[in-house]
Amino acid sequence: DGGITQSPKYLFRKEGQNVTLSCEQNLNHDAMYWYRQDPGQGLRLIYYSQIVNDFQKGDIAEGYSVSREKKESFPLTVTSAQKNPTAFYLCASSQPGLAGAGEQFFGPGTRLTVL
Amino acid sequence: GQNIDQPTEMTATEGAIVQINCTYQTSGFNGLFWYQQHAGEAPTFLSYNVLDGLEEKGRFSSFLSRSKGYSYLLLKELQMKDSASYLCAVRDSTNAGKSTFGDGTTLTVKP
Repeated sequence: DGGITQSPKYLFRKEGQNVTLSCEQNLNHDAMYWYRQDPGQGLRLIYYSQIVNDFQKGDIAEGYSVSREKKESFPLTVTSAQKNPTAFYLCASSQPGLAGAGEQFFGPGTRLTVL
Repeated sequence: GQNIDQPTEMTATEGAIVQINCTYQTSGFNGLFWYQQHAGEAPTFLSYNVLDGLEEKGRFSSFLSRSKGYSYLLLKELQMKDSASYLCAVRDSTNAGKSTFGDGTTLTVKP
């Protein structure tokens, strides 16, 4: 089945450690996105990528980094520079420019807790 | 940039109709989306409007007025499983297709 996978579902890390969250899609979508969601809030865009080997900062990119070496993969690294990394992280993909809605498809999310 | 407002919480009764409003102020507009998100899960796509008017999809309908910067999601014949957060998102007019999300409206359906 086509979809987006994120692993792991729960992740615990010590303060000061970098951690990489994986995101893989087999929908053949060009665009991929990373969001952060805090309790009771909506989704805030961290980084997005329109095409392989290209990505742009979103609204809250500080303390995060990404890469897009393959169309299907868009890993997110939460660095020690991120002041408050504990959150629910969601990865999404879409195919902009189609005649249809071009809606975003989301992975199941990774809940990161920094101790 | 984009600014999106929607009510924080709403409560309705099973079998009733509820309307969730969303207002937005944008520097560019290329469509408005509604997503449903159950607690602890990922959002799932519900509806899309890019032209003014009403889009109907079963028990769910969504309305858009671009001149007023206003949309609503209408849920009919409410079921307990409709208890969730409903996110309004506005897509910008760049090629990236990126969207700005509102904070979501938490709907509680009571028996």
